[in-house]
Amino acid sequence: RKEVEQDPGPFNVPEGATVAFNCTYSNSASQSFFWYRQDCRKEPKLLMSVYSSGNEDGRFTAQLNRASQYISLLIRDSKLSDSATYLCVLIPSGTYKYIFGTGTRLKVLA
Amino acid sequence: NAGVTQTPKFQVLKTGQSMTLQCAQDMNHNSMYWYRQDPGMGLRLIYYSASEGTTDKGEVPNGYNVSRLNKREFSLRLESAAPSQTSVYFCASRIERGNSPLHFGNGTRLTVT
Repeated sequence: RKEVEQDPGPFNVPEGATVAFNCTYSNSASQSFFWYRQDCRKEPKLLMSVYSSGNEDGRFTAQLNRASQYISLLIRDSKLSDSATYLCVLIPSGTYKYIFGTGTRLKVLA
Repeated sequence: NAGVTQTPKFQVLKTGQSMTLQCAQDMNHNSMYWYRQDPGMGLRLIYYSASEGTTDKGEVPNGYNVSRLNKREFSLRLESAAPSQTSVYFCASRIERGNSPLHFGNGTRLTVT
């Protein structure tokens, strides 16, 4: 089983829609989690860290469910500019090796 | 503030040729990383360096060598390029504090024919 698994999509949603992605992980000792955004042919950029209590940044909300070993990203009021690939990232406890998922592709349609 | 700078941006090599990918960061970060990204595979760690003078293998180190000569620079060398090394290479850095995120360079697109 892969350490991090994501639905590759694409998720095609209309502007203004709410969309959610999940990311499951296999290592229960994973310590830290992030969501990154990657535009086509560009470098990944940090979107937000994921905290145990859940956290929100504008239209974006991240949640962590340790019992079921998944993290989620919710995007409200989708914009055309949200079209990108969203990468789930975790750090297993006791290491500084960042493990990346293969990404979920989002297309927001006008 | 340049952040993480990678050179070159693009490179085409013939099988068996060698080259060095350069990476430099100006954020005073301790740790530096080299990843490769292939379609459907996600980012895979090649090598990382926790501090100046130290390096460790990642998930896919075969065919690569690295050098961390100082805090700013972390280079990746392909001694004898193979078509399987055709990929996009990203350098990244982070500060050693808590669970700090990685900061990436713009990437190097390498094609080996």
